[in-house]
Amino acid sequence: EAGVTQFPSHSVIEKGQTVTLRCDPISGHDNLYWYRRVMGKEIKFLLHFVKESKQDESGMPNNRFLAERTGGTYSTLKVQPAELEDSGVYFCASSQMRGGDTGELFFGEGSRLTVL
Amino acid sequence: AQSVTQLGSHVSVSEGALVLLRCNYSSSVPPYLFWYVQYPNQGLQLLLKYTSAATLVKGINGFEAEFKKSETSFHLTKPSAHMSDAAEYFCAVTEGAAGNKLTFGGGTRVLVKP
Repeated sequence: EAGVTQFPSHSVIEKGQTVTLRCDPISGHDNLYWYRRVMGKEIKFLLHFVKESKQDESGMPNNRFLAERTGGTYSTLKVQPAELEDSGVYFCASSQMRGGDTGELFFGEGSRLTVL
Repeated sequence: AQSVTQLGSHVSVSEGALVLLRCNYSSSVPPYLFWYVQYPNQGLQLLLKYTSAATLVKGINGFEAEFKKSETSFHLTKPSAHMSDAAEYFCAVTEGAAGNKLTFGGGTRVLVKP
């Protein structure tokens, strides 16, 4: 069974450009999460989808970040325009829904974003 | 608000020696606690979790952690380090048993010396 896959693994862009990160969760996982680790800091929660709906987006840093999950399958995270402080590793995770329990999180390898 | 503190961003141990990674948390509600490991070029993998059952939790690869409410700690240990344990380890807390919306510590990178 394929795990959580993320693309690209590494992206280098200039300040002001746009980048779109993609996450394919494990098949059948209704929950999808985005986390981010800025260099030298903790991994921080960005948002949580349940199927195609945003359950919690309290961690999104500002309106330059847009996450979508059309059809409740894969998700994209767009940064537009990118700023230097957006550099970091963006992790995606997914889990099954079991009644009120959202299940163990399975993480992807992360997408490293470098903004120059 | 929840928070997690991991003491030591880097730890060096000799092969065969005890591995001890420290984690202290703060939470306004009974916490659920997790340890994740990230091996080079891989995603985060769950090592073990505490969800209010036994305070001594055993995980994969010989790791275990003990929940101590009085000390607000959840330290991770392994009696004998192996070269394959070289990785970065993250302690995390959440209000939910399943582990969504985790609050992570800063991570501890473990180097194992032969």
